[in-house]
Amino acid sequence: DQQVKQNSPSLSVQEGRISILNCDYTNSMFDYFLWYKKYPAEGPTFLISISSIKDKNEDGRFTVFLNKSAKHLSLHIVPSQPGDSAVYFCAASAFSGGGADGLTFGKGTHLIIQP
Amino acid sequence: DAMVIQNPRYQVTQFGKPVTLSCSQTLNHNVMYWYQQKSSQAPKLLFHYYDKDFNNEADTPDNFQSRRPNTSFCFLDIRSPGLGDAAMYLCATSRSPTDTQYFGPGTRLTVL
Repeated sequence: DQQVKQNSPSLSVQEGRISILNCDYTNSMFDYFLWYKKYPAEGPTFLISISSIKDKNEDGRFTVFLNKSAKHLSLHIVPSQPGDSAVYFCAASAFSGGGADGLTFGKGTHLIIQP
Repeated sequence: DAMVIQNPRYQVTQFGKPVTLSCSQTLNHNVMYWYQQKSSQAPKLLFHYYDKDFNNEADTPDNFQSRRPNTSFCFLDIRSPGLGDAAMYLCATSRSPTDTQYFGPGTRLTVL
């Protein structure tokens, strides 16, 4: 029973265009959501997060949108750059900050930015 | 640079032979976590320490144990590794239970 789902194992986007990565969740108790980026042979790196009291959070080229009624969030990267090629994990927590109860991860989406 | 370090990066062990994975941190974070990630799967929380308090996930097998002798170090012990325990093991830390988790590079465990 996957509580966090990333239905696209991979996504290919042209350099300069917008990348949109999607994530769905089933647990209504989740109140904090994070995106992590992972390069090969490295651990996940925190990218951006959003609390359930917000519907949007922006940090430079990265924006996360949260639709609580649909239990859906998305990560927008614009413009996409070659260095954005990585696996992106969506994660959720039932405790703000993703702390004591740990994070529930999706399986990840491999983003490939094509020149 | 403050960071989360995992040693070794690659570990090979034999079926049934105990193995210990190590995690250290220079962030002085209070919480340390261990996740298991199998191929093409999501990372899955095994357990975590909040200071000296150990918190085990309900579905973590008894074969997996952990020790945290001090703030900086946390160990994952697999008492009798099976073929199904081959995975990437990720260590993470956070300043408090409400703060963002930061991950180490992981240890890839192979069981022969």
